[in-house]
Amino acid sequence: AQKVTQAQTEISVVEKEDVTLDCVYETRDTTYYLFWYKQPPSGELVFLIRRNSFDEQNEISGRYSWNFQKSTSSFNFTITASQVVDSAVYFCALSVEGDDYKLSFGAGTTVTVRA
Amino acid sequence: DAGVIQSPRHEVTEMGQEVTLRCKPISGHDYLFWYRQTMMRGLELLIYFNNNVPIDDSGMPEDRFSAKMPNASFSTLKIQPSEPRDSAVYFCASSLQRGPMGETQYFGPGTRLLVL
Repeated sequence: AQKVTQAQTEISVVEKEDVTLDCVYETRDTTYYLFWYKQPPSGELVFLIRRNSFDEQNEISGRYSWNFQKSTSSFNFTITASQVVDSAVYFCALSVEGDDYKLSFGAGTTVTVRA
Repeated sequence: DAGVIQSPRHEVTEMGQEVTLRCKPISGHDYLFWYRQTMMRGLELLIYFNNNVPIDDSGMPEDRFSAKMPNASFSTLKIQPSEPRDSAVYFCASSLQRGPMGETQYFGPGTRLLVL
């Protein structure tokens, strides 16, 4: 069975601070995908990034960066120079080939950025 | 391109009433998913379709829930009769295909359901 753990329930930072969200996953499949979604206060779920199990390259997109490490089964997400608009719930998710790529979500981490 | 469209955005109903939630996936997407989000259980997959055919409904809580996809551009999730514990946000999502280039699910804005 697949499992995603986001140990941090809530994180509060002051604007311009960096914030790192942890995600640890469990699967026995060798082919899988990892995702991050953002859920702002308005409620929608916004896709941020997808990585596949064969590509451990880290990625940077603007103020966002992702660190994928298979050795530790982690897919961490960093927001650099946080802004108030980054306040949201962030979900890490996993889909595996052996489970027809159904998404398993972590519990989410609530990020609050204070001005 | 328009994203996933859901209606209504908010629904308030009384226990025992029938509730129908609607979803229009992104054009050309082969897969459609229904999720439920609650504080207690987080995001749960209820059912998903591939090319309008239900593939896995193991997440549907009970017989009061049913879902249909009569064509590639429309799906419904029906609750009959509704109960207060069905209060949640219901999301519809769609994805292009399975395989190396697919899997990314794009979500609609959700329907906030409150059953009194």
